[in-house]
Amino acid sequence: DSGVTQTPKHLITATGQRVTLRCSPRSGDLSVYWYQQSLDQGLQFLIQYYNGEERAKGNILERFSAQQFPDLHSELNLSSLELGDSALYFCASSPRTSASSYNEQFFGPGTRLTVL
Amino acid sequence: GNSVTQMEGPVTLSEEAFLTINCTYTATGYPSLFWYVQYPGEGLQLLLKATKADDKGSNKGFEATYRKETTSFHLEKGSVQVSDSAVYFCALSVQGGAAGNKLTFGGGTRVLVKP
Repeated sequence: DSGVTQTPKHLITATGQRVTLRCSPRSGDLSVYWYQQSLDQGLQFLIQYYNGEERAKGNILERFSAQQFPDLHSELNLSSLELGDSALYFCASSPRTSASSYNEQFFGPGTRLTVL
Repeated sequence: GNSVTQMEGPVTLSEEAFLTINCTYTATGYPSLFWYVQYPGEGLQLLLKATKADDKGSNKGFEATYRKETTSFHLEKGSVQVSDSAVYFCALSVQGGAAGNKLTFGGGTRVLVKP
């Protein structure tokens, strides 16, 4: 158990809908990262938050957005869903950002999104 | 930009065989290197890491050495078990800057160990 929790574990929805994925980082971790794992794209970085502020953006679609709340949990919002958004979405957390000597990230179990 | 290339699978082995998974990288800056493992139906677990050239990461019988001159971080295990069946991901992270501390992953290598 990494200490990172994600809910829900599975999500099945229809095209055009909107969903919210939730992540609680390890206790004390300030950085939260979101990744998407799909068969065709592999594991891709979406976005990083550090202590409530957006730190870096990757291949995140405009239909997707995220935020990190004062209690450090994070939510990833996916809207106008398409079939191609079906994937595993992972959240990871790490203790610090650039001050770290290395950047170990601890991953949650993921949310499997199926868009029908 | 940063990228990681690892050998495609699946790799099928018999128990007690020697395992090698090749990984090479390109990076702007000085990366830290990682191997993550994903067991069926589970999330990613950090297997081992190395943060500077010539460092050797090791865990659970797996080893990998950070080779700056060949930009490689090959994963090895001397004697695999059925329980090692999983997907293995090589990854890198460059500290700080505009890219934050994101991980850049290779495509993953599925390993199947048969009894």
